[in-house]
Amino acid sequence: EVVLTQSPATLSLSPGDTATISCRASQSVRTYLGWYQQKPGQAPRLLISDVSERAPGIPGRFSGSGSGTDFTLTISSLEPEDSAVYYCQQRSNWPPLTFGGGTKVEIK
Amino acid sequence: EVQLVESGGVVVQPGGSLRLSCAASGFTFDDFAMHWVRQAPGKGPEWVSQISWSGSDTYYAPSVRGRFTISRDNTRNFLYLQMSNLRPEDTALYYCAKGSYDVSYMDVWGKGTTVTVSS
Repeated sequence: EVVLTQSPATLSLSPGDTATISCRASQSVRTYLGWYQQKPGQAPRLLISDVSERAPGIPGRFSGSGSGTDFTLTISSLEPEDSAVYYCQQRSNWPPLTFGGGTKVEIK
Repeated sequence: EVQLVESGGVVVQPGGSLRLSCAASGFTFDDFAMHWVRQAPGKGPEWVSQISWSGSDTYYAPSVRGRFTISRDNTRNFLYLQMSNLRPEDTALYYCAKGSYDVSYMDVWGKGTTVTVSS
């Protein structure tokens, strides 16, 4: 099973800042890694698939990079509505599909 | 509007059984793989199971394999999860999710239905 480790656990930033979230895989997942956003009381929402492909309706402020075992989600020009928990998910070596433990982004 | 609505979550005793349902609308149901994903209180999502568009291929997380069965009815646009031999660690909010064109991402989610396993 591929274990995804996210860091940091929590990020506290101000509006307009840039958030950088890391996801490290226990083995190569090639470029088969996606990102989700989850706000309190809501289901997760797909942001990015296969490293860098934004889902429909996702603003360009959200971008992804990486390959193999190291991946990054970058959120530029943070807005208050970006407060959420962000999860990575791999689809390279499955079943099972696996998620990371999450990174909470707080906007001060 | 694309919509997924789960139902069937209840409080059940350890060892019990339960069937969850998911009603899909707003898209061509039999064009897409479907998933069940669960989330325990305060935890991250955990993928449970996937079924192909036709229903011919099914996949399970090791934690539920042999106890849960995923199925679909493409004539009625319904997804199901039959759960048996339930354990306290199965307690979670269960989401139905539509597979993306890449199949193994989830691009539409329902609001979830809560399963509590407790005596």
